This record gives sequence, structure tokens and C-alpha cells, in this order.
Amino acid sequence: GQQVMQIPQYQHVQEGEDFTTYCNSSTTLSNIQWYKQRPGGHPVFLIQLVKSGEVKKQKRLTFQFGEAKKNSSLHITATQTTDVGTYFCAGPMEYGNKLVFGAGTILRVKS
Amino acid sequence: EPEVTQTPSHQVTQMGQEVILRCVPISNHLYFYWYRQILGQKVEFLVSFYNNEISEKSEIFDDQFSVERPDGSNFTLKIRSTKLEDSAMYFCAVGWGDDSPLHFGNGTRLTVT
Repeated sequence: GQQVMQIPQYQHVQEGEDFTTYCNSSTTLSNIQWYKQRPGGHPVFLIQLVKSGEVKKQKRLTFQFGEAKKNSSLHITATQTTDVGTYFCAGPMEYGNKLVFGAGTILRVKS
Repeated sequence: EPEVTQTPSHQVTQMGQEVILRCVPISNHLYFYWYRQILGQKVEFLVSFYNNEISEKSEIFDDQFSVERPDGSNFTLKIRSTKLEDSAMYFCAVGWGDDSPLHFGNGTRLTVT
């Protein structure tokens, strides 16, 4: 079945360092979405990418959708302690309307 | 202001008991979902609900689970006879369309003892 894989599982960085999480789908995606979940919180929508090769920025966060629309990345420049949490990518199933989440990357930032 | 309110925030129940988790969307969303997250693990799809009926469900969503939207506002998830492995955080989510982003509620932490 369709799978969404995410690496790394866990990343611990020093405040000010950069961070990147990668997402790969076994099938072509119509779009990819990124969510952030703070410890003890719920997933919060960050962004949606639709076009092949699309790059979007939100302040220190850069999101990219691959040319083949099967992979995506989230890059955070100069991490801050407020960036801690789990970052999930999610893509819609090929058929149907369910969103399949990757396993998430846990980001810890040491100040 | 959250788009989805979930109650209760925490439910403790004994194995074999029935539980009902509630979700109240604030706006007139079209699509409703239940997801669950076992502690420290991924967010897993349970069921989607559109036009007052189930549109899709996962293999987790067996006969013990049911959903309904009885009064056009509350969206409920019922687990008929809870098992220990049902212990998880259950999130309600809403969306406007097929590929639209989801807005999650704060979740209900279910603990089955």
C-alpha cells in the first residue's frame, strides 16, 4: 500500500544550527502537507505544496516539493527553542480522501 | 480560536466499557476525520465522514468503532468495548475539501485500564 516515509526519526541540535527533515512517498502525490506538533499538543497545519518543484518559505522555514512529486523537505535555518516539536509530512492517498502521515521527525533544540 | 473542540480532554475507562468521544466543529466544515496517536508514535487515520456517512475507514476501524453526527453539529466516535490497546490520543480533524489541510482538535487522551 501507499506509504509516506520520513527521516530522520529524531534530531537534537544546538540552538542556531540548521535542521532538515525529509519525506518520501511510494507513489506520486497530488500535494504534500506539513504539520507541527508541540510536545503534548495537537498537529498544526504549516503549509501545503502542490506544484512540482515548488518551494515555499515561512520566515526561517523552507519547504520544498520534489520534481517528481514523491519527496519533500522542510529546512529550518538557525533553529530556536520555539522550534521544538515533531514535524510531520502528510500526503493524500491515491484513491480516497484520507491523509497519510509520515512517522514524524522529533526536533529538540539545546540552548 | 480553535476550529474544533473536543471533549473530554482525558477519559479513563475500564477494559470492556464503552466510550464516546465528542468533537464540535466551530465552522461549517464538510469533511470530518478521526485520527489516533499512540504515545510517541505516528498519527494514524481511523475514519473520514462526509455528507453524513463514512467515506473511508482504515483497518483499525473495526466493528468496535462507530461514528455519527446525530444533530448536525457534534461528531462522535464510539468505541463499544474498549481494549487495552485502544489507549491513545484521539484527534478529531475537519477540512473543507478533498485535499484541503486539516484542522485538528486538542485531542482526547483515552486510557484503558
